[in-house]
Amino acid sequence: DAGVTQSPTHLIKTRGQQVTLRCSPKSGHDTVSWYQQALGQGPQFIFQYYEEEERQRGNFPDRFSGHQFPNYSSELNVNALLLGDSALYLCASSSYRWGGRSSYEQYFGPGTRLTVT
Amino acid sequence: GIQVEQSPPDLILQEGANSTLRCNFSDSVNNLQWFHQNPWGQLINLFYIPSGTKQNGRLSATTVATERYSLLYISSSQTTDSGVYFCAASPPGNQFYFGTGTSLTVIP
Repeated sequence: DAGVTQSPTHLIKTRGQQVTLRCSPKSGHDTVSWYQQALGQGPQFIFQYYEEEERQRGNFPDRFSGHQFPNYSSELNVNALLLGDSALYLCASSSYRWGGRSSYEQYFGPGTRLTVT
Repeated sequence: GIQVEQSPPDLILQEGANSTLRCNFSDSVNNLQWFHQNPWGQLINLFYIPSGTKQNGRLSATTVATERYSLLYISSSQTTDSGVYFCAASPPGNQFYFGTGTSLTVIP
């Protein structure tokens, strides 16, 4: 049973460039969430995708955008990179029924470490 | 959003000792998870425990939802238990909020 996978593992970009990170959810999961983890901090929620739509969004600027494909995999795009975007980007998947008192357990991928120079 | 606070921030133990990590949250939640983050950044699921008590080997967890806290117990600690432990909670229909973690070092 394949777990959550992310690519690439590491990435170095220059300020002002754009980056795309990819995530494949755990088998049987239909929901993908993205998190940013700065050094020494806990992960911060960016957004969540279910049925190819953004369902929830954290306090991140519009430079951060995403997409979910019909096979439930997802991409995170960051435009106009800033030095402060350097972080570990984590993807989590879950099996989730939107609405009401939802209950779900998240499983995380190994992350993509982004360095902006 | 809710506030999630973890204590202590740092913990150093001798191998074989027991420890208790605490997670307080500021509002009602219906999802709560404990994770162990290894040195490579991977978040490993320890417990999904919105309420009640669970045990898995040397680890156990208790969540008292009405009093808005959860506890993670580690018994007979081993050097492989070292790392950062995170608690994450979400209110109904909302995103997960993470605490700032407890950094555990187990000394041989």
